[in-house]
Amino acid sequence: EAGVAQSPRYKIIEKRQSVAFWCNPISGHATLYWYQQILGQGPKLLIQFQNNGVVDDSQLPKDRFSAERLKGVDSTLKIQPAKLEDSAVYLCASSLDRGHEKLFFGSGTQLSVL
Amino acid sequence: AQKITQTQPGMFVQEKEAVTLDCTYDTSDQSYGLFWYKQPSSGEMIFLIYQGSYDEQNATEGRYSLNFQKARKSANLVISASQLGDSAMYFCAMREEGRGADGLTFGKGTHLIIQP
Repeated sequence: EAGVAQSPRYKIIEKRQSVAFWCNPISGHATLYWYQQILGQGPKLLIQFQNNGVVDDSQLPKDRFSAERLKGVDSTLKIQPAKLEDSAVYLCASSLDRGHEKLFFGSGTQLSVL
Repeated sequence: AQKITQTQPGMFVQEKEAVTLDCTYDTSDQSYGLFWYKQPSSGEMIFLIYQGSYDEQNATEGRYSLNFQKARKSANLVISASQLGDSAMYFCAMREEGRGADGLTFGKGTHLIIQP
Protein backbone atom coordinates (compact mmCIF):
# COMPACT_ATOMS: atom_id res chain seq x y z
CA GLU A 1 0.00 0.00 0.00
CA ALA A 2 1.44 3.38 -0.98
CA GLY A 3 1.94 5.86 1.85
CA VAL A 4 1.25 9.57 2.03
CA ALA A 5 3.18 11.32 -0.75
CA GLN A 6 4.48 14.88 -0.40
CA SER A 7 6.44 17.13 -2.70
CA PRO A 8 8.76 18.84 -2.92
CA ARG A 9 11.04 17.31 -0.30
CA TYR A 10 12.98 20.56 0.17
CA LYS A 11 12.32 24.17 -0.77
CA ILE A 12 14.41 27.29 -0.28
CA ILE A 13 12.86 30.70 -0.93
CA GLU A 14 13.41 34.30 0.02
CA LYS A 15 11.07 36.14 2.35
CA ARG A 16 8.03 37.67 0.68
CA GLN A 17 8.05 34.99 -2.03
CA SER A 18 5.25 32.48 -2.37
CA VAL A 19 5.49 28.68 -2.11
CA ALA A 20 3.16 25.71 -2.48
CA PHE A 21 3.29 22.19 -1.10
CA TRP A 22 1.44 19.18 -2.45
CA CYS A 23 0.09 16.14 -0.66
CA ASN A 24 -1.45 12.92 -1.95
CA PRO A 25 -3.00 10.92 0.92
CA ILE A 26 -3.42 7.17 1.13
CA SER A 27 -6.12 5.99 -1.25
CA GLY A 28 -9.54 5.96 0.39
CA HIS A 29 -8.58 8.15 3.32
CA ALA A 30 -11.28 10.74 3.91
CA THR A 31 -9.44 12.86 6.48
CA LEU A 32 -6.36 14.92 5.68
CA TYR A 33 -4.25 17.12 7.96
CA TRP A 34 -1.48 19.65 7.44
CA TYR A 35 0.97 20.13 10.32
CA GLN A 36 3.82 22.60 10.78
CA GLN A 37 6.88 21.36 12.67
CA ILE A 38 9.39 24.02 13.69
CA LEU A 39 12.86 22.75 14.60
CA GLY A 40 12.96 21.37 18.13
CA GLN A 41 9.19 21.28 18.55
CA GLY A 42 6.34 18.87 18.02
CA PRO A 43 4.06 19.22 15.01
CA LYS A 44 1.31 21.84 15.22
CA LEU A 45 -1.98 21.36 13.39
CA LEU A 46 -2.66 23.94 10.69
CA ILE A 47 -5.78 22.58 9.01
CA GLN A 48 -7.96 19.46 8.88
CA PHE A 49 -10.10 18.40 5.91
CA GLN A 50 -12.88 15.85 5.79
CA ASN A 51 -13.22 14.94 2.11
CA ASN A 52 -13.17 18.40 0.50
CA GLY A 53 -14.57 20.32 3.49
CA VAL A 54 -12.62 22.11 6.23
CA VAL A 55 -13.16 20.72 9.74
CA ASP A 56 -10.68 22.88 11.64
CA ASP A 57 -8.49 25.76 10.48
CA SER A 58 -8.35 27.64 13.77
CA GLN A 59 -4.54 27.63 13.86
CA LEU A 60 -3.98 28.52 10.21
CA PRO A 61 -2.56 32.06 9.76
CA LYS A 62 -5.15 32.96 7.15
CA ASP A 63 -3.54 36.26 6.19
CA ARG A 64 -0.75 34.33 4.46
CA PHE A 65 -1.59 30.61 4.47
CA SER A 66 -4.25 28.91 2.38
CA ALA A 67 -5.08 25.29 1.69
CA GLU A 68 -7.47 23.41 -0.51
CA ARG A 69 -8.59 19.87 -1.21
CA LEU A 70 -10.86 20.43 -4.16
CA LYS A 71 -11.78 16.87 -5.16
CA GLY A 72 -11.41 15.36 -1.72
CA VAL A 73 -8.15 13.63 -2.60
CA ASP A 74 -4.96 15.68 -3.18
CA SER A 75 -4.31 18.81 -1.20
CA THR A 76 -2.20 21.92 -1.65
CA LEU A 77 -0.91 24.23 1.08
CA LYS A 78 0.25 27.70 0.01
CA ILE A 79 2.14 30.45 1.78
CA GLN A 80 2.05 33.97 0.31
CA PRO A 81 4.05 35.98 1.25
CA ALA A 82 6.50 33.86 3.26
CA LYS A 83 8.17 35.13 6.42
CA LEU A 84 11.39 33.99 8.08
CA GLU A 85 9.41 32.34 10.88
CA ASP A 86 7.68 30.07 8.35
CA SER A 87 10.89 28.02 8.10
CA ALA A 88 9.77 24.56 9.21
CA VAL A 89 8.87 21.09 8.03
CA TYR A 90 5.33 20.86 6.67
CA LEU A 91 3.84 17.44 7.29
CA CYS A 92 0.77 16.03 5.64
CA ALA A 93 -1.14 13.20 7.31
CA SER A 94 -4.23 11.18 6.45
CA SER A 95 -6.57 8.80 8.22
CA LEU A 96 -9.36 6.52 7.08
CA ASP A 97 -11.98 8.72 8.69
CA ARG A 98 -12.49 11.22 11.47
CA GLY A 99 -11.55 9.92 14.90
CA HIS A 100 -9.66 6.95 13.52
CA GLU A 101 -6.79 6.11 15.83
CA LYS A 102 -4.12 5.83 13.13
CA LEU A 103 -2.80 8.87 11.33
CA PHE A 104 -0.31 8.13 8.57
CA PHE A 105 2.25 10.85 7.91
CA GLY A 106 4.25 11.74 4.84
CA SER A 107 7.97 12.54 4.98
CA GLY A 108 7.29 16.26 4.89
CA THR A 109 8.52 19.28 2.98
CA GLN A 110 11.40 21.14 4.60
CA LEU A 111 11.01 24.87 3.93
CA SER A 112 13.81 27.36 4.47
CA VAL A 113 12.93 31.05 4.17
CA LEU A 114 16.00 33.31 3.76
CA ALA B 1 -0.85 25.79 30.03
CA GLN B 2 0.82 23.07 28.00
CA LYS B 3 -1.59 20.38 26.89
CA ILE B 4 1.16 17.77 26.52
CA THR B 5 4.34 17.86 28.60
CA GLN B 6 7.37 15.72 27.91
CA THR B 7 9.97 16.51 30.55
CA GLN B 8 12.89 14.53 29.09
CA PRO B 9 14.50 16.42 26.19
CA GLY B 10 17.03 13.61 25.70
CA MET B 11 17.81 10.12 27.00
CA PHE B 12 20.72 7.74 26.60
CA VAL B 13 19.96 4.05 27.17
CA GLN B 14 22.00 0.88 26.81
CA GLU B 15 20.87 -1.59 24.18
CA LYS B 16 18.54 -4.33 25.50
CA GLU B 17 17.46 -2.25 28.51
CA ALA B 18 13.85 -1.16 29.01
CA VAL B 19 13.04 2.54 28.48
CA THR B 20 10.29 4.69 29.92
CA LEU B 21 9.46 7.97 28.20
CA ASP B 22 7.35 10.33 30.29
CA CYS B 23 4.23 12.17 29.16
CA THR B 24 1.69 14.14 31.14
CA TYR B 25 -1.39 15.77 29.66
CA ASP B 26 -3.95 18.39 30.54
CA THR B 27 -7.57 18.29 29.43
CA SER B 28 -11.02 18.88 30.84
CA ASP B 29 -12.62 16.52 28.29
CA GLN B 30 -13.89 13.17 29.55
CA SER B 31 -13.30 11.53 26.18
CA TYR B 32 -9.84 11.76 24.69
CA GLY B 33 -7.18 9.65 23.07
CA LEU B 34 -3.45 9.47 23.73
CA PHE B 35 -0.88 8.59 21.10
CA TRP B 36 2.82 7.96 20.77
CA TYR B 37 4.72 8.57 17.55
CA LYS B 38 8.32 7.86 16.58
CA GLN B 39 10.18 10.24 14.28
CA PRO B 40 13.50 8.90 12.94
CA SER B 41 16.00 11.17 11.24
CA SER B 42 14.20 10.60 7.91
CA GLY B 43 11.42 12.83 9.28
CA GLU B 44 8.39 10.59 8.86
CA MET B 45 6.11 10.25 11.90
CA ILE B 46 5.45 6.58 12.68
CA PHE B 47 2.41 5.59 14.78
CA LEU B 48 3.37 3.39 17.75
CA ILE B 49 0.44 3.04 20.14
CA TYR B 50 -2.96 4.44 21.11
CA GLN B 51 -4.86 4.59 24.42
CA GLY B 52 -8.46 5.74 24.74
CA SER B 53 -9.52 7.50 27.93
CA TYR B 54 -12.19 4.88 28.59
CA ASP B 55 -9.90 1.91 27.98
CA GLU B 56 -9.47 0.08 31.25
CA GLN B 57 -6.41 -1.88 30.22
CA ASN B 58 -3.07 -0.41 29.23
CA ALA B 59 -2.44 -0.59 25.50
CA THR B 60 0.31 -2.84 24.16
CA GLU B 61 1.79 -3.19 20.67
CA GLY B 62 4.69 -5.63 20.48
CA ARG B 63 7.61 -4.14 22.44
CA TYR B 64 5.64 -0.97 23.17
CA SER B 65 3.26 -0.50 26.06
CA LEU B 66 1.53 2.56 27.39
CA ASN B 67 1.40 3.03 31.16
CA PHE B 68 -1.86 4.95 31.50
CA GLN B 69 -2.54 6.54 34.89
CA LYS B 70 -5.72 8.53 34.46
CA ALA B 71 -5.82 10.15 37.89
CA ARG B 72 -2.27 11.42 37.45
CA LYS B 73 -2.94 12.38 33.80
CA SER B 74 0.10 10.51 32.66
CA ALA B 75 0.64 8.29 29.63
CA ASN B 76 4.18 7.01 29.69
CA LEU B 77 5.59 4.92 26.86
CA VAL B 78 7.54 1.82 27.82
CA ILE B 79 9.85 0.18 25.28
CA SER B 80 11.04 -3.26 26.35
CA ALA B 81 14.39 -4.69 25.24
CA SER B 82 15.55 -1.57 23.39
CA GLN B 83 17.30 -1.90 20.03
CA LEU B 84 19.70 0.39 18.15
CA GLY B 85 16.92 1.10 15.66
CA ASP B 86 14.83 2.63 18.43
CA SER B 87 17.05 5.72 18.37
CA ALA B 88 14.75 8.56 17.29
CA MET B 89 12.55 11.41 18.50
CA TYR B 90 9.43 10.27 20.34
CA PHE B 91 6.31 12.40 20.57
CA CYS B 92 3.34 12.05 22.86
CA ALA B 93 0.08 13.46 21.49
CA MET B 94 -3.56 13.88 22.50
CA ARG B 95 -6.87 14.12 20.72
CA GLU B 96 -9.62 15.84 22.70
CA GLU B 97 -12.84 14.38 21.43
CA GLY B 98 -15.13 17.09 22.79
CA ARG B 99 -13.75 19.76 20.49
CA GLY B 100 -15.54 18.78 17.33
CA ALA B 101 -12.23 18.40 15.50
CA ASP B 102 -9.80 15.51 15.47
CA GLY B 103 -6.35 17.04 15.16
CA LEU B 104 -3.65 15.87 17.52
CA THR B 105 -1.82 18.15 19.95
CA PHE B 106 1.82 17.09 20.27
CA GLY B 107 4.41 17.52 23.00
CA LYS B 108 7.93 18.78 22.31
CA GLY B 109 9.37 15.30 22.13
CA THR B 110 12.13 13.22 23.69
CA HIS B 111 15.29 12.40 21.78
CA LEU B 112 16.14 8.78 22.58
CA ILE B 113 19.60 7.43 21.81
CA ILE B 114 20.28 3.71 22.23
CA GLN B 115 23.92 2.92 22.86
CA PRO B 116 25.54 -0.45 21.99
